[in-house]
This record gives sequence, structure tokens and C-alpha cells, in this order.
Amino acid sequence: DQQVKQNSPSLSVQEGRISILNCDYTNSMFDYFLWYKKYPAEGPTFLISISSIKDKNEDGRFTVFLNKSAKHLSLHIVPSQPGDSAVYFCAASPGGGGADGLTFGKGTHLIIQP
Amino acid sequence: SQTIHQWPATLVQPVGSPLSLECTVEGTSNPNLYWYRQAAGRGLQLLFYSVGIGQISSEVPQNLSASRPQDRQFILSSKKLLLSDSGFYLCAWSNLAGVYEQFFGPGTRLTVL
Repeated sequence: DQQVKQNSPSLSVQEGRISILNCDYTNSMFDYFLWYKKYPAEGPTFLISISSIKDKNEDGRFTVFLNKSAKHLSLHIVPSQPGDSAVYFCAASPGGGGADGLTFGKGTHLIIQP
Repeated sequence: SQTIHQWPATLVQPVGSPLSLECTVEGTSNPNLYWYRQAAGRGLQLLFYSVGIGQISSEVPQNLSASRPQDRQFILSSKKLLLSDSGFYLCAWSNLAGVYEQFFGPGTRLTVL
């Protein structure tokens, strides 16, 4: 049973436009959410996170939105750049101190077209 | 600054052979340590985590084991590899002070033939 779902395996966006990556979760115990970016044959790189007490967190071109009632979060990248082409993973944690591992979605492959 | 190392970067092993993957972290003390696996076409699956020396928690029953002989060293092992053990193995660390972000190493690509 997948507790974190990224239903779009891939997404193609034109350079300069907005990229919106979506993520849904089923476990109500999750209260901290993270986005990671991964290039082939490399480890994931932490991008941005959000606590369940917030509904928005912004860091430069990256903004994460959280809708707790819908159990849905999204990552917005504006403007999209060629270097943003990568696989993006959504991850969730039940909190409680942070020692537990993260639960990841299957990832969305973002392709930025020139 | 903190850095995390994994080796080897790639490994090709025959079915039934043993496995030992090593992960070390520099620049931090008492980290939480994690082993994840990414199988082909799938997300990252948590295999083991450790909050201290000799303390290992396993998330899924499997053919693998983990050990933490030193504070900043985490080892993933198997006595006999299966074909299904092929994948990309990632080690990660986090701060014990309640910070949820985990930071990943470069990974090891394991192919079992």
C-alpha cells in the first residue's frame, strides 16, 4: 500500500514556464514533507520542506504548498530552467523527533524543453 | 561541513556471493543513519535505520542486514545475494536534534547476475 503517491511518472515543461509537481499521501500521521531532486546515478538532493503547521514554504524559485484536508502537496518551480530536468521525489515523515526514515513516492521525471 | 561517502560506486556480483557496502559520515556526531534502496522504476524504500552504535531498526524483511560498528559508519551486508537484491543503494544521515531533512550519499549501483 503506497502511502505517498506521485501519479505523474513524467512531466514536460517549456523553459521559463512554471513546473507543478504533485504528491498525495494517505497516512494522517505524516506531519512533515520534503522534496528531493535526483539526477541519474547520484544520490537525491534535498530541495525544500514544509511542516504540517504551514500551508506554504518558499525558497527562491521553489515553493511548496500543502493542503492538509486534501492530503495533497505540490512543488512549484518558477521559472523552469534546463538544469531543473531531473527526477523529483516527494517524501513524508511522521515526525516525533525525526529519527524515523522517510516514506518516498515513486518520483516524477521533469523534462524542461528549450 | 558534513559529507557522506559510500563505496564502492558500482558493483557486479554473482548470485549467492556475499555483500558489504560501506557508508561513512564526516563533520557531524551522533547522526541518525539510513539505508535505502531504489529498485528499477520504483521509489526509494527504507531498509534500515540506526540512532546509535549497535542500534539497528529494520523496516522490511529481507535478505540483507546492517551494522553500525562506529558512530559515523554504517554497513549493509548480505551472506548470499539474490537476483532481486539488484538496485541502487543509498545511505543517508540526519541530525539527532529533531531535524527531519536527510542528506544522501552518492549511492552504490549493485547488479546481481
